[in-house]
Amino acid sequence: SQKIEQNSEALNIQEGKTATLTCNYTNYSPAYLQWYRQDPGRGPVFLLLIRENEKEKRKERLKVTFDTTLKQSLFHITASQPADSATYLCALERTGANNLFFGTGTRLTVIP
Amino acid sequence: GAGVSQSPSNKVTEKGKDVELRCDPISGHTALYWYRQSLGQGLEFLIYFQGNSAPDKSGLPSDRFSAERTGGSVSTLTIQRTQQEDSAVYLCASSASLVGLDTQYFGPGTRLTVL
Repeated sequence: SQKIEQNSEALNIQEGKTATLTCNYTNYSPAYLQWYRQDPGRGPVFLLLIRENEKEKRKERLKVTFDTTLKQSLFHITASQPADSATYLCALERTGANNLFFGTGTRLTVIP
Repeated sequence: GAGVSQSPSNKVTEKGKDVELRCDPISGHTALYWYRQSLGQGLEFLIYFQGNSAPDKSGLPSDRFSAERTGGSVSTLTIQRTQQEDSAVYLCASSASLVGLDTQYFGPGTRLTVL
C-alpha cells in the first residue's frame, strides 16, 4: 500500500541553524510534492511545490529537494528562527487521484 | 472573502446525534476538499468537489458521512449517528484549479468532540 513517512515526529534545533526535514514515500509515482506549515489550532498553509522534473526549489530561507529515485524529499529552513516553530507536512499528488496524501508531519521547535 | 471559513469552530455532541459542519471556500475556487485530522495523525482525505462534476467520495469512512456543495460554493459535511471515533478536527480546503491539483487553501477547521 502507499505510504508517506516523515523522518521524525519532533525535531529541536538551535536558532540560526539549518533545519532539515525528510519525507519518504513508497509505492507512489507522484507528479509533484507539496510542503505545508501547520500551527496549533490552524489549518495547514502552503509553502512550496516541487515537480517531478525539478531537483530543487527555493523560496527565501526555504529549500526543497525532490529525488524520485530515492523517493524522498528534503525540506530545509536556513538561519532558523523561533517563529519557524510549527508542524511541517509533506503532501503528495498521485496521478489520476483527486486529493493530496499527507504525511503525519514533523513538529519543529527552534530554541532561542 | 479573504480565506476559507468554517463553522462552528468547536462542536461538542453526544454519541448518536447528527452534526453538520459548514465550509465557505474562497470565492471563485472551483475545487473543494474535506479532510479529517485526528490527534497525532496526518490529514485523511474525505471528499472532493470540482465544479459541477460528481463528487469523489472515495475517502468517506462510512455511510454515516455525507457532504453537499450547493451552488458550487458553500459545502456542508454531515455526520449521522456520531460515534466517539468521529472525534477529530475536520478541515476544509479550496483550490482554484480547474483540472488537476493546485495549491490548497485551508480553513481553520472544526474541532468535533463526541462524548
